[in-house]
Amino acid sequence: SQQGEEDPQALSIQEGENATMNCSYKTSINNLQWYRQNSGRGLVHLILIRSNEREKHSGRLRVTLDTSKKSSSLLITASRAADTASYFCATPTSGTYKYIFGTGTRLKVLA
Amino acid sequence: NAGVTQTPKFQVLKTGQSMTLQCAQDMNHNSMYWYRQDPGMGLRLIYYSASEGTTDKGEVPNGYNVSRLNKREFSLRLESAAPSQTSVYFCASSEGGTTNEKLFFGSGTQLSVL
Repeated sequence: SQQGEEDPQALSIQEGENATMNCSYKTSINNLQWYRQNSGRGLVHLILIRSNEREKHSGRLRVTLDTSKKSSSLLITASRAADTASYFCATPTSGTYKYIFGTGTRLKVLA
Repeated sequence: NAGVTQTPKFQVLKTGQSMTLQCAQDMNHNSMYWYRQDPGMGLRLIYYSASEGTTDKGEVPNGYNVSRLNKREFSLRLESAAPSQTSVYFCASSEGGTTNEKLFFGSGTQLSVL
């Protein structure tokens, strides 16, 4: 399977600190996406980075993509308690609409 | 706009019972998906429908059937529920047409099979 693997599995930081989580994948991709899931809720799309992009910003989010290493990172700057959630990367299987998700990083931001 | 609506939100079944999970989207999306989420496993794709009238297997299709009733609705059926199907089920949709697009998720159905 082309499942992404997030690292670390869990992360606990203080409010105001930056949070970095990583995603590795196995095969060639057109894009990579990051989603957030609050406890007991559905996933919400955060950001999409295309394979020809190396970095993308959206508010306090910064995503990088290294296709040579088949990896991506999500940086959340100046974290807030409301950022407490699980974060998943997702990649479409080449040539299809099948989006495969990683196992997620559980982020806890302490106030 | 309601987005993606799933029913029911909670369900308890006995082993061997059958049931259908309903999903509807009001965004005129072409593609729809069913995922299951188990602790420590992330989301796994069960079935997807790239467009009305088509369905394809995902990573874990065994024990499930799907119906793309029309462009709005995509149902997931468990013919004979097993305890291994205890999970949280999510329906999602996307515009379809390219792979550079985001998924919109419903709020999930928590299913317990006893």
